[in-house]
Amino acid sequence: QKEVEQDPGPLSVPEGAIVSLNCTYSNSAFQYFMWYRQYSRKGPELLMYTYSSGNKEDGRFTAQVDKSSKYISLFIRDSQPSDSATYLCAMRLFSGGYNKLIFGAGTRLAVHP
Amino acid sequence: EAGVTQSPTHLIKTRGQQATLRCSPISGHTSVYWYQQALGLGLQFLLWYDEGEERNRGNFPPRFSGRQFPNYSSELNVNALELEDSALYLCASSHARTSGRAYNEQFFGPGTRLTVL
Repeated sequence: QKEVEQDPGPLSVPEGAIVSLNCTYSNSAFQYFMWYRQYSRKGPELLMYTYSSGNKEDGRFTAQVDKSSKYISLFIRDSQPSDSATYLCAMRLFSGGYNKLIFGAGTRLAVHP
Repeated sequence: EAGVTQSPTHLIKTRGQQATLRCSPISGHTSVYWYQQALGLGLQFLLWYDEGEERNRGNFPPRFSGRQFPNYSSELNVNALELEDSALYLCASSHARTSGRAYNEQFFGPGTRLTVL
């Protein structure tokens, strides 16, 4: 079993739709939960990160973490064609100087006008 | 502020050859991370260098190695290339692990696309 599982998609939605992206994880030692966006032929860029269970909002984006269920989500409201990209969830493990990010496989999202 | 830079953009090699990939971190960052992004597999952690020392490596064979220079730039070497090494290799940088920050964001470069024929 992978440490982080992510719905692979691809996902195709019309402009203005609400998009829900999800990941589950197995390691309860993960401390930070991130969402990265990766455009074609670019490196990933950090969208949001959260530490605790609950919701965190930033503009049209809401990140949700449920540590008891080991489940995280990213919601995109009023989706735009410019949101078309691959979205990667990531979890951070940091203990005794051991620091690395574990990524999901990524969900490719296409928002069509 | 300049971002993380990587060179070359593309690299084509044949099986058995060696590849060298380079990364320059953001100014002020001393930690460098290497990831492999193969098609359909997401990003796999390769190596972490912090202040000149290798701090951790992922589940990759020893023919994947690297180093960090005194100016904190880094080099990834892949020896005895195999076809399955074809992937996008991403470098990221962050502040030092001892910076005291509760969260150290990793900033990614654009990657080097390695193709092994």
